[in-house]
Amino acid sequence: AQSVTQLDSHVSVSEGTPVLLRCNYSSSYSPSLFWYVQHPNKGLQLLLKYTSAATLVKGINGFEAEFKKSETSFHLTKPSAHMSDAAEYFCVVKGDDYKLSFGAGTTVTVRA
Amino acid sequence: KAGVTQTPRYLIKTRGQQVTLSCSPISGHRSVSWYQQTPGQGLQFLFEYFSETQRNKGNFPGRFSGRQFSNSRSEMNVSTLELGDSALYLCASSLVAGGPNEQFFGPGTRLTVL
Repeated sequence: AQSVTQLDSHVSVSEGTPVLLRCNYSSSYSPSLFWYVQHPNKGLQLLLKYTSAATLVKGINGFEAEFKKSETSFHLTKPSAHMSDAAEYFCVVKGDDYKLSFGAGTTVTVRA
Repeated sequence: KAGVTQTPRYLIKTRGQQVTLSCSPISGHRSVSWYQQTPGQGLQFLFEYFSETQRNKGNFPGRFSGRQFSNSRSEMNVSTLELGDSALYLCASSLVAGGPNEQFFGPGTRLTVL
């Protein structure tokens, strides 16, 4: 079975500074990995996905993530945070049983 | 193309009652999955339907059930409601079941059990 650990429950950054959200996963097979964002009282929106192609994945709104098999990590980054990035972010793994396993989530606060 | 729609958006029930939630997937999507989101347990997988068949199931009691219709719309039913069933229930659709396909989520149904 697969699992996901998001290493930070809360990240606070200043507007215009970089954002780093850390995610480690465990999976028996080559997993599919996703990052989703959830704004208050909204559903989840897909930011990006990794499916065994390029290890550096670019997503929407300037986000990107790097898949590192040796470190079993899939960290999400953005060079410059915007106020609209304040939300909860979920790292998700889809393993060999095709079920999605969600991390506990990281809440991002952006200071003006 | 319209996104995933869920009805109703908000629901208040009392313990012991039953509830039915509805989900309409994106046009052309044949797989529908259901998730429960609570502050304590986070996001947990309930079940997935594809071509009117349950393909995958999470670790929830039998009070939670679902079905899918020939037009891919899906319903989820919870019987004998408990206070702990209060949650945001999210539906997600994808083109097919399994594989690396991403899922597209609806806005959710907020269920409150009193």
